[in-house]
Amino acid sequence: AQKVTQAQTEISVVEKEDVTLDCVYETRDTTYYLFWYKQPPSGELVFLIRRNSFDEQNEISGRYSWNFQKSTSSFNFTITASQVVDSAVYFCALRANAGKSTFGDGTTLTVKP
Amino acid sequence: NAGVMQNPRHLVRRRGQEARLRCSPMKGHSHVYWYRQLPEEGLKFMVYLQKENIIDESGMPKERFSAEFPKEGPSILRIQQVVRGDSAAYFCASSPPGHLGEKLFFGSGTQLSVL
Repeated sequence: AQKVTQAQTEISVVEKEDVTLDCVYETRDTTYYLFWYKQPPSGELVFLIRRNSFDEQNEISGRYSWNFQKSTSSFNFTITASQVVDSAVYFCALRANAGKSTFGDGTTLTVKP
Repeated sequence: NAGVMQNPRHLVRRRGQEARLRCSPMKGHSHVYWYRQLPEEGLKFMVYLQKENIIDESGMPKERFSAEFPKEGPSILRIQQVVRGDSAAYFCASSPPGHLGEKLFFGSGTQLSVL
């Protein structure tokens, strides 16, 4: 069985603050992929990043960075110098041999000006 | 290249009616997934289909719900005899055939409201 837990339901920060969104996952598969998606107020989910289970190298893309740690089954997402446009619901997802992607319950991020 | 197209965007039904939600995947994508998002909740997997085959329907309620992805035409999620609890946003996603790491492309969703 697969499970993704996003313990933070809502986070509110002031613009320019850094914020980290937590994601913890469970799977018995040794081969799997982890994803982050963003759901802006318009509703359509947008892919942000994916990581496979054999690649623990962290990644930085502009103000976004991801920290994958197999030892703690975590795949956390950090936004540096947050902006109002970052306000959205962020979903962490796991895809293993079952084929389907299992999503966490999402974290609603509000960035205030 | 058009994205994943879902229609209608909004659907209003009275209790007991049928709801049909359509999803046209991206060109070249043969895998379709349906998810349901209840207010203030996350995305819950419903069903995974490939052309003319249901691969995984473990998230589908046993009654009233069905899904298909025919050889020609869009994927259809059908809800018979809708009840108020079916009110939710239903998202379709597609991916190309290939490896496990293929990301999902999502449609804009269909907001179903049951009166």
